[in-house]
Amino acid sequence: AQTIHQWPVAEIKAVGSPLSLGCTIKGKSSPNLYWYWQATGGTLQQLFYSITVGQVESVVQLNLSASRPKDDQFILSTEKLLLSHSGFYLCAWSLDREAEQFFGPGTRLTVL
Amino acid sequence: GDSVTQTEGPVTLSEGTSLTVNCSYETKQYPTLFWYVQYPGEGPQLLFKVPKANEKGSNRGFEATYNKEATSFHLQKASVQESDSAVYYCALGDHDTNAYKVIFGKGTHLHVLP
Repeated sequence: AQTIHQWPVAEIKAVGSPLSLGCTIKGKSSPNLYWYWQATGGTLQQLFYSITVGQVESVVQLNLSASRPKDDQFILSTEKLLLSHSGFYLCAWSLDREAEQFFGPGTRLTVL
Repeated sequence: GDSVTQTEGPVTLSEGTSLTVNCSYETKQYPTLFWYVQYPGEGPQLLFKVPKANEKGSNRGFEATYNKEATSFHLQKASVQESDSAVYYCALGDHDTNAYKVIFGKGTHLHVLP
């Protein structure tokens, strides 16, 4: 069975500080991977997707970047956090472009 | 661009009553349509997907028909339960381009009273 793990579970960070969020998928080789952001009480905004190691496409930047250093790992990062970065960050995977996406448990980020 | 519009919440129902959450979409492509459900503090879970027009998806008593002519994908359930309280998202997968984009509606918060 496939499992998706996100870390950390929650973060409280200062404005201007760096950030790195991680996502790992086990039990599935070469998945498509996605990052989403969700404001409190808001909808899901797709940020990035990746179909292979080393290749990441941006959908909406929001002063964030993403990387896929390994087949099963997806990283979201920024060098300088903004207050507007607060929210719920979700990683997801799918088998292919037309398949449904399976979401991880999310990381709650609070920027003060 | 592509968009999804769904019933604005919150929607409050009593247990045993019927539910309809409207979803309309705009796209020039041939999308796959999804309904997701999200419980507090968790990631969304797929309810079901429908890749083709005029087909119906269903799961856990929920169902929706992909109506290409009306560009609609309304979610229905005949008799809701308290455990159905959650946020429901209609989503559109744009698969006719090179982009792996999924566009979510704003979500409809359902609150079912016992």
